[in-house]
Parts: sequence; structure tokens; C-alpha cells
Amino acid sequence: NAGVTQTPKFQVLKTGQSMTLQCAQDMNHEYMSWYRQDPGMGLRLIHYSVGAGITDQGEVPNGYNVSRSTTEDFPLRLLSAAPSQTSVYFCASTRDRVTYEQYFGPGTRLTVT
Amino acid sequence: GQQVMQIPQYQHVQEGEDFTTYCNSSTTLSNIQWYKQRPGGHPVFLIQLVKSGEVKKQKRLTFQFGEAKKNSSLHITATQTTDVGTYFCAGRRESGGSNYKLTFGKGTLLTVNP
Repeated sequence: NAGVTQTPKFQVLKTGQSMTLQCAQDMNHEYMSWYRQDPGMGLRLIHYSVGAGITDQGEVPNGYNVSRSTTEDFPLRLLSAAPSQTSVYFCASTRDRVTYEQYFGPGTRLTVT
Repeated sequence: GQQVMQIPQYQHVQEGEDFTTYCNSSTTLSNIQWYKQRPGGHPVFLIQLVKSGEVKKQKRLTFQFGEAKKNSSLHITATQTTDVGTYFCAGRRESGGSNYKLTFGKGTLLTVNP
């Protein structure tokens, strides 16, 4: 199993540009989520999904859209990038209803100039 | 909203010294998880605590969940250079909200001088 994969690893955008961060998992996990990590801020939940076709907002959803058309994929869209969205983005998936242990992808480092 | 506070923010130790990081929640938690993130890496799950007063050990790591289920700690005995990284706690609220969402503390960065 590849686990949780994310592409790209690095990205530089200009203010106002749009892009999609890709996330895929091959573990047949129902639950997937997106976090952003900023220095000194820990991990903050952006959006999450409890299954295909179901998504919900997390702590910091503004400026981001998600969809979950399949169990495997959970892309994160930035519609109009802003410098405040410069961050490291982690996708995570959860296997187990009991432990809710999260498996994180390797991350995407995004810079918005 | 729910807040999870973690202290200290940074800790530098000599190899062989002990290390402890503390996590406090503003609300009662149903469970708490601990993750480790190596520099440049991604968070990796270490353990989950569920019961009031629970204590779990993993080799040199000891995890505790408070009696009131509002605080937790991670203690590392005799640190090694391989322990370097940021340790995060993440709590799930006991009542209300999604049973899935975790709130992460800001983490404690541990550095170890060999």
C-alpha cells in the first residue's frame, strides 16, 4: 500500500491564482481530512469528509473548497490564492472507527506571493 | 470553541535527560491522541488514551490521561537523539460536535544535545 499520497510536494502561486492540492489513499478509509500547519500554530482542520459525497467544514475553511466523489480521493481547491494561505498542507485519513488513528500524507508546501 | 493548550512550546535537553510535555483542554475530552512529527516530516500516530486516569507505556514513553479527562502528559525517560521532533496532543470533545474532529495542541518541539 502507498498509504496517503499528496501532490504536488511544493508549489508557488501568485495571489489570485487557483489550484488543487491532490490527496489519495489506498487503504479504503472512510474518513479523510485536510489540515494546514503554520509555525507555532499546530495543525488546524480545514475540511473533512466522513465518506464519499459527504464533506463538512473544520476550524479554518474560508478560501478552500473540497469534494469527495470517491472513497480514495479528497482534493482541496484554492479558488483565489492569498498570501495568508502560505502554509504546509497535510491530508489525513482514518481507518478505524474505534481508535480514529489518523494516517498523514507527506504534505504540500505552498507559497503564495 | 474547544481549545487544547500544550506546554512547553520548546524543550532542549541533554541526551539521557527526561522530558515531559503537558496538554490541557478547555472541555472534557472523550479521548486524546499523541502524534510525533520529525523535522521536515509528517505527523505519526503514537497512541490514544480513552479512560479516565489511564496510563500507557511504549518503551521509554509514558502517556497519562487525567482523572477529569481534561489533561494529558507524555513523559520520555532518558532521551535519545532519535526522540527529536515535535510532539502533538489532539483531543476529541466528549459531547457535541462531530465524533471525528480532532483539535490539536500547538505542539512541543524537543531537541536533544548528544
